[in-house]
Amino acid sequence: KAGVTQTPRYLIKTRGQQVTLSCSPISGHRSVSWYQQTPGQGLQFLFEYFSETQRNKGNFPGRFSGRQFSNSRSEMNVSTLELGDSALYLCASSLTTGQGDTQYFGPGTRLTVL
Amino acid sequence: QKEVEQDPGPLSVPEGAIVSLNCTYSNSAFQYFMWYRQYSRKGPELLMYTYSSGNKEDGRFTAQVDKSSKYISLFIRDSQPSDSATYLCAMRSQAGTALIFGKGTTLSVSS
Repeated sequence: KAGVTQTPRYLIKTRGQQVTLSCSPISGHRSVSWYQQTPGQGLQFLFEYFSETQRNKGNFPGRFSGRQFSNSRSEMNVSTLELGDSALYLCASSLTTGQGDTQYFGPGTRLTVL
Repeated sequence: QKEVEQDPGPLSVPEGAIVSLNCTYSNSAFQYFMWYRQYSRKGPELLMYTYSSGNKEDGRFTAQVDKSSKYISLFIRDSQPSDSATYLCAMRSQAGTALIFGKGTTLSVSS
């Protein structure tokens, strides 16, 4: 079974631009979560989607948004990029949103903001 | 105080050593505990998953959870150079769905 895929793998943007990242979950998984990973803060939860609905949201500004499509694929968008948004953005999928469901991570998209 | 504390290391050991990695946490609501391994420029890979207190063993890896002390551990026996990676603890409560991660411990195993 194919794992979680994320595209693109690398991105370079300039301040003020916006960016869209894509995530395809493991086949059959309906929940997709997004995390930001930086050397200073580690892995921080952005949001989770299940059946096209946002179920949970972390403590990030409104510039960070996401959505999920009927095929469970998800996108996240960051508008008005700031230098501090440079990070590895990770997507994780799980079967459902049950507390016991394990999350499987993709390879991430490395975003550099200049 | 952060919800999950993890010593960042780095931790350097010779091949064959027993490695002990630890995390402490403050939220007594956490019920599900995980260890992930992350190689450089890769996404985290699930190693161990434990519910509530107790031990779980999988090959060379043993995970321990002590909820009374709010302390979790991962032991690696007969460590190999291929174990060189960053190890992340993660946990979640029954009420929430977000994983809360430690910052990770960087392990280097030399041959």
